[in-house]
Amino acid sequence: NAGVMQNPRHLVRRRGQEARLRCSPMKGHSHVYWYRQLPEEGLKFMVYLQKENIIDESGMPKERFSAEFPKEGPSILRIQQVVRGDSAAYFCASSRWGDEQYFGPGTRLTVT
Amino acid sequence: QKEVEQNSGPLSVPEGAIASLNCTYSDRVSQSFFWYRQYSGKSPELIMSIYSNGDKEDGRFTAQLNKASQYVSLLIRDSQPSDSATYLCAVMGSSNTGKLIFGQGTTLQVKP
Repeated sequence: NAGVMQNPRHLVRRRGQEARLRCSPMKGHSHVYWYRQLPEEGLKFMVYLQKENIIDESGMPKERFSAEFPKEGPSILRIQQVVRGDSAAYFCASSRWGDEQYFGPGTRLTVT
Repeated sequence: QKEVEQNSGPLSVPEGAIASLNCTYSDRVSQSFFWYRQYSGKSPELIMSIYSNGDKEDGRFTAQLNKASQYVSLLIRDSQPSDSATYLCAVMGSSNTGKLIFGQGTTLQVKP
């Protein structure tokens, strides 16, 4: 039973480029969450999605960040025009009923 | 006041001892509480969830919840060096939208 999958595991982007992070939830899970962990900081909630719906995006920066979870395919977290401050570990989690959340291995984004 | 507070540690215990990790939260109407373990450079791993006042045991782990005092604790019996990690307390927000609010984590060191 595969867990939450994320790719790529490591991503290097130059300032101004776009970053696309992908997440496939565990089998049977329809709730997807994105979190960010900055160096030496805690995990911060970004967005909660179900298929084709954004449920809670209260943690998303107002500009440059967007997320989607289409009917078919993985959830995508998109960061446009990346800046050095976007360098962090981005974790996706999924849950079956909206309670216990299981995390993927994360994508480490480095902006040069 | 932070929404979820933990002592950052490090908490050092000898092998075989009981490790006690504590967490307090500010939102009185929170209903769902979770403990995660995170090894350095890895993603958070769910250890326990607890929803009702009292104790919940799973193997060497016991979670304790006291909603009146707004604290959650995790006890690890017969601590092993492999338990050395950062332990994250997470609280689901009062709106119950799935957003987890994490503490900064407590670093546990189990010495052989």
